Amino acid sequence: DTGVSQDPRHKITKRGQNVTFRCDPISEHNRLYWYRQTLGQGPEFLTYFQNEAQLEKSRLLSDRFSAERPKGSFSTLEIQRTEQGDSAMYLCASSLARFGGGEQYFGPGTRLTVT
Amino acid sequence: DAKTTQPTSMDCAEGRAANLPCNHSTISGNEYVYWYRQIHSQGPQYIIHGLKNNETNEMASLIITEDRKSSTLILPHATLRDTAVYYCIVRVAGSGGSNYKLTFGKGTLLTVNP
Repeated sequence: DTGVSQDPRHKITKRGQNVTFRCDPISEHNRLYWYRQTLGQGPEFLTYFQNEAQLEKSRLLSDRFSAERPKGSFSTLEIQRTEQGDSAMYLCASSLARFGGGEQYFGPGTRLTVT
Repeated sequence: DAKTTQPTSMDCAEGRAANLPCNHSTISGNEYVYWYRQIHSQGPQYIIHGLKNNETNEMASLIITEDRKSSTLILPHATLRDTAVYYCIVRVAGSGGSNYKLTFGKGTLLTVNP
């Protein structure tokens, strides 16, 4: 499978714990995005990378959230001191910058439940 | 990016054409119309995009009105697997500046019935 992969697919954690999600983009894609989706809503942008550089972060991304993309390959999204409001689907997408970035390829998402 | 308006839900019979409308009356001249869909429990999937000419690919056709204030996504022969939430997104062309993200609304839930 040459698509975007995410791990884990599901995560249940207790409030206050830290969690980390991983995203592996399509190998030749230099742009990587993180979105969050809550029930009944469309995905909301969180942050994006071009190669290893994090170029933009949404105001939705509080200081408890941190994302990295070492060496411009896979990316991780960490949430510290999780809260119940963090429960959501976390989606990763990748694209090629030369196509304008409008065609983004999404992974299956990681569903986080904070109890 | 311009705002879009879509119906909350639509039904379609299997084998018939599904026509999904989108209103984007404040669209600017340099904004493209993109369509994505999201099947339950999966990530969104790119379908098609266009600027002002009608576009067709293996998945769907996109019809944009001459004034570009609205568009219609057409699935010519809907199947049960086309049941999904369909998102219409208007986005500035190119990859510079702040043009990196997709802004999703709530979309249209299309239910294809047997």
